Amino acid sequence: QVQLEQSGGEVKKSGASVKVSCQASGYTFDDYAIAWVRQAPGQGLEYMGWISIYNGNTKYVQKFQGRVTMTTDTSTDTAYMELRSLRSDDTAIYFCARGRSSTAGFDYWGLGTLVTVSS
Amino acid sequence: SYVLTQPPSVSVAPGQTARITCGGDDIGSYSVHWYQQKSGQAPVLVVYDDTKRPSGIPERFSGSNSGNTASLTISRVEAGDEADFYCQVWDSVSDDFVFGPGTLVTVL
Repeated sequence: QVQLEQSGGEVKKSGASVKVSCQASGYTFDDYAIAWVRQAPGQGLEYMGWISIYNGNTKYVQKFQGRVTMTTDTSTDTAYMELRSLRSDDTAIYFCARGRSSTAGFDYWGLGTLVTVSS
Repeated sequence: SYVLTQPPSVSVAPGQTARITCGGDDIGSYSVHWYQQKSGQAPVLVVYDDTKRPSGIPERFSGSNSGNTASLTISRVEAGDEADFYCQVWDSVSDDFVFGPGTLVTVL
């Protein structure tokens, strides 16, 4: 069965960086993209961008350009999302999700990783 | 970027029908996806490409999309359907996915 297993929660200081991992299993990793979505406490879902596993192409939402990097390690079927220069409003649950195309939606999600940024 | 609107909340009695709307400029020309997120859980895709249901999603969940409004309809609502629901589209101008603000469905 398809699973996306995310790394554990993190507590970071303002200005630091965080790197969240998402290990996929149960499907051919290269056939899909991995999207990253975050959710601040009590707020809605916010799309951050995605990475095509097949060719490594990335597309980041403009808001995060320059602060986020999405990568993959195809030897371990793992995707990573690094966010730099953390601020208190980056405190959120970060989800990875599997996607394929604009008409398919995100059909499987990780359980989420809570990142807490303190000053 | 493309903006989606949703009512903040919808209340429905058990056994009745809930309809959640998602508004956007000419949204009928977009492919709309819907997610259910129960408290403390990850979102679950319940409808994709306007009307399609992933395997395992009950037929009680159905979608439609026309003009400036897309809708998710939940028939024969059960207590376990209580959740936040989000619509999503891919905006070709920004080349990004966009989520609506979410609708809380409360089962009375």
